[in-house]
Amino acid sequence: DAGVTQSPTHLIKTRGQQVTLRCSPKSGHDTVSWYQQALGQGPQFIFQYYEEEERQRGNFPDRFSGHQFPNYSSELNVNALLLGDSALYLCASSRITGKNTEAFFGQGTRLTVV
Amino acid sequence: DAKTTQPPSMDCAEGRAANLPCNHSTISGNEYVYWYRQIHSQGPQYIIHGLKNNETNEMASLIITEDRKSSTLILPHATLRDTAVYYCIVRPDSGNTPLVFGKGTRLSVIA
Repeated sequence: DAGVTQSPTHLIKTRGQQVTLRCSPKSGHDTVSWYQQALGQGPQFIFQYYEEEERQRGNFPDRFSGHQFPNYSSELNVNALLLGDSALYLCASSRITGKNTEAFFGQGTRLTVV
Repeated sequence: DAKTTQPPSMDCAEGRAANLPCNHSTISGNEYVYWYRQIHSQGPQYIIHGLKNNETNEMASLIITEDRKSSTLILPHATLRDTAVYYCIVRPDSGNTPLVFGKGTRLSVIA
């Protein structure tokens, strides 16, 4: 079991550009959530996908969007990048029902906006 | 906002038990106590969770007070690899409920 995998591991983008981050959930998981972690802070919830639809959203602007595919993998897109978008982006997968619903995280994508 | 309060930092000698406290005085009846840890520059790692009974797994033990207003995560024999930020989170046991992270406790295990 490969667990939750994210790509790429590191990324440098210029202000104003767009970026796409990818996540493959743990086997057997159907729900993917994305978090942003600024330096020195705890992760902050961005949004969650289940059955290919955004189900919940945190306090993030519309520049942040996502997608979930039939195989449960997911993408996070950020448009019009700002310097403040520099952070570690974490993907977490879970099962929405059943006995074990704890979330498992990937290693994250470190995004630097210059 | 996080519903938990944790000390910002703690030290523990290698080989000794590390006891990490967490206050969650406003916890609801259907909310579980979850613990995650984050080693530097890695994603958070699930440790353990419980509702009201004490729980133990291969990583740690979780002791929840009878009134459920506080809990303690115990690492029985801390090693240098346990140095990390530990997060205590309260959450219903549902896969669609987002995790709300506070600042956590930075545990330093010292040789």
